Amino acid sequence: DAGVIQSPRHEVTEMGQEVTLRCKPISGHDYLFWYRQTMMRGLELLIYFNNNVPIDDSGMPEDRFSAKMPNASFSTLKIQPSEPRDSAVYFCASSFRQGGYLAEAFFGQGTRLTVV
Amino acid sequence: GQQLNQSPQSMFIQEGEDVSMNCTSSSIFNTWLWYKQDPGEGPVLLIALYKAGELTSNGRLTAQFGITRKDSFLNISASIPSDVGIYFCAGHSNFGNEKLTFGTGTRLTIIP
Repeated sequence: DAGVIQSPRHEVTEMGQEVTLRCKPISGHDYLFWYRQTMMRGLELLIYFNNNVPIDDSGMPEDRFSAKMPNASFSTLKIQPSEPRDSAVYFCASSFRQGGYLAEAFFGQGTRLTVV
Repeated sequence: GQQLNQSPQSMFIQEGEDVSMNCTSSSIFNTWLWYKQDPGEGPVLLIALYKAGELTSNGRLTAQFGITRKDSFLNISASIPSDVGIYFCAGHSNFGNEKLTFGTGTRLTIIP
């Protein structure tokens, strides 16, 4: 398996523009997570899905952020309009349930977003 | 919300030395995971712990799930240059809880 695939790897955009980050989870995984990593706040969970349904979006910073999972093999995280403080590395991860536990989360390589 | 306090924040060691880092929580965790992140990459799982008191090894790495369920440590023996990176502890706070909380990370640097 190719692992979790994220695109683009790097994105530089101007403040006010719309940004869309994409993720393809590992086939067969029914959980998908979006994380944001910054020096100040570390790794923060933004939102996660189970069987394509958003379960918890309490980590989404504000209404400018939205995430969708139209099918089991694709998810997007959209920021509209983008602001400089959104600059961070955004990770997508996928996982599956193993007995009574959620198995390890497998991470993609991340998208480094810079908003200027 | 839950917080995982990880220490030390950074370590500077010489090749061949042993490394020890730990993670503590104010609340009970039912799983503890240790990840390593290389520059420009996503975190990769090193060791997973599912039972209080569990001691698990993976090559030169050893990790333990604290008996109180509120802490975990990771040891690396005989460090080598490729051990450089950021190490994160992570955990699920309640049985079946699907949210993974991450520690603040320990940055390991090996001095030649």
